[in-house]
Amino acid sequence: SQKIEQNSEALNIQEGKTATLTCNYTNYSPAYLQWYRQDPGRGPVFLLLIRENEKEKRKERLKVTFDTTLKQSLFHITASQPADSATYLCALPGPGKLIFGQGTTLQVKP
Amino acid sequence: DTEVTQTPKHLVMGMTNKKSLKCEQHMGHRAMYWYKQKAKKPPELMFVYSYEKLSINESVPSRFSPECPNSSLLNLHLHALQPEDSALYLCASSPYFETSGSKSYNEQFFGPGTRLTVL
Repeated sequence: SQKIEQNSEALNIQEGKTATLTCNYTNYSPAYLQWYRQDPGRGPVFLLLIRENEKEKRKERLKVTFDTTLKQSLFHITASQPADSATYLCALPGPGKLIFGQGTTLQVKP
Repeated sequence: DTEVTQTPKHLVMGMTNKKSLKCEQHMGHRAMYWYKQKAKKPPELMFVYSYEKLSINESVPSRFSPECPNSSLLNLHLHALQPEDSALYLCASSPYFETSGSKSYNEQFFGPGTRLTVL
């Protein structure tokens, strides 16, 4: 069956550093992968979508890579700020729905 | 208008009560979703409506009853809930319903959620 893993449940980094989050999947060949941000008690907010034929996508301080050979996506936040502290979810398309990873909670310390 | 609204923000109900959650979007999206989210877990899909018709029911207990009165509104009727049903209930919408094997790209827009507590 399809399986999605976000390797770290929690990640703590210092302000200004680059945060790197990992999303791995198995038994699956998705047409795309999405990343969402979720703040406590709020709904997820869409950040980026990367297609299977794209290696890299950027949006401001965010960068996503997609390696279909490794079955892995990396999500980078450069020059991180305390305001980037949140839970980040990767999501892949399933039959009529999105399948979410467990999420990684990022804490950026001043 | 690029947001999904949900009411109420918080709801406390007893196990014998009947209540409803409401969701609204005015982005012209044709697919709407209900999710349940427990603490420190990802959103868990409950129902999907496509063009106002129920397309997916993820084996949700009948004490949860969805309704889509029109393309902009989605309700979730609650009756005889259990304490373990306490959770954040999220509504989402997307431009269209994506079938298996589709190569289309379809982000979901989530509402802020309703925090439900069942006593």
